[in-house]
Amino acid sequence: EDQVTQSPEALRLQEGESSSLNCSYTVSGLRGLFWYRQDPGKGPEFLFTLYSAGEEKEKERLKATLTKKESFLHITAPKPEDSATYLCAVQARAGNNRKLIWGLGTSLAVNP
Amino acid sequence: DTGVSQNPRHKITKRGQNVTFRCDPISEHNRLYWYRQTLGQGPEFLTYFQNEAQLEKSRLLSDRFSAERPKGSFSTLEIQRTEQGDSAMYLCASGGTTDTQYFGPGTRLTVL
Repeated sequence: EDQVTQSPEALRLQEGESSSLNCSYTVSGLRGLFWYRQDPGKGPEFLFTLYSAGEEKEKERLKATLTKKESFLHITAPKPEDSATYLCAVQARAGNNRKLIWGLGTSLAVNP
Repeated sequence: DTGVSQNPRHKITKRGQNVTFRCDPISEHNRLYWYRQTLGQGPEFLTYFQNEAQLEKSRLLSDRFSAERPKGSFSTLEIQRTEQGDSAMYLCASGGTTDTQYFGPGTRLTVL
């Protein structure tokens, strides 16, 4: 069964304290792995898509990396506005619907 | 590109009532998805449309749920005889030629 596990469940950082979030997955053929940010009461906001092991994507203070079993979201020198829940999702290669299978998310709080 | 819009943003109803939500996808996107999310959980796939055709429906979805996408444009999700367990955030996402799904702000349903 396709599955996504994110860790830690919650993370509290001081402003400027870099860290990484983990997303491990099992899927019968990975089509793509996606990172989203979600603020309370809002829909997920797309961040990155990764397709193959070794791929990296960057956006401002965020960098996403992918291996054959897991993905990391690295946050460099975070600011309080980076506080949010970060969700990881995978798409399986099989089938044409491209539905997303989600982890439970990591709730990040950045203190000033 | 005006993004995905959903209406209403919030809905409070009494148990046993019917409710209908609307989703307007990004205009050129032919794929449309409905997900449901409860507090502390990742989104859960409900159903998928390609143009006007509903191609997949989750087995978790009871017969009280129905979705339509007439003419391949906007979509509606109806829940009949609502139950307290239906209380959740209902998310709509659309996708075009790439694998990425873009989400709307969601409709928060509270069943009293």
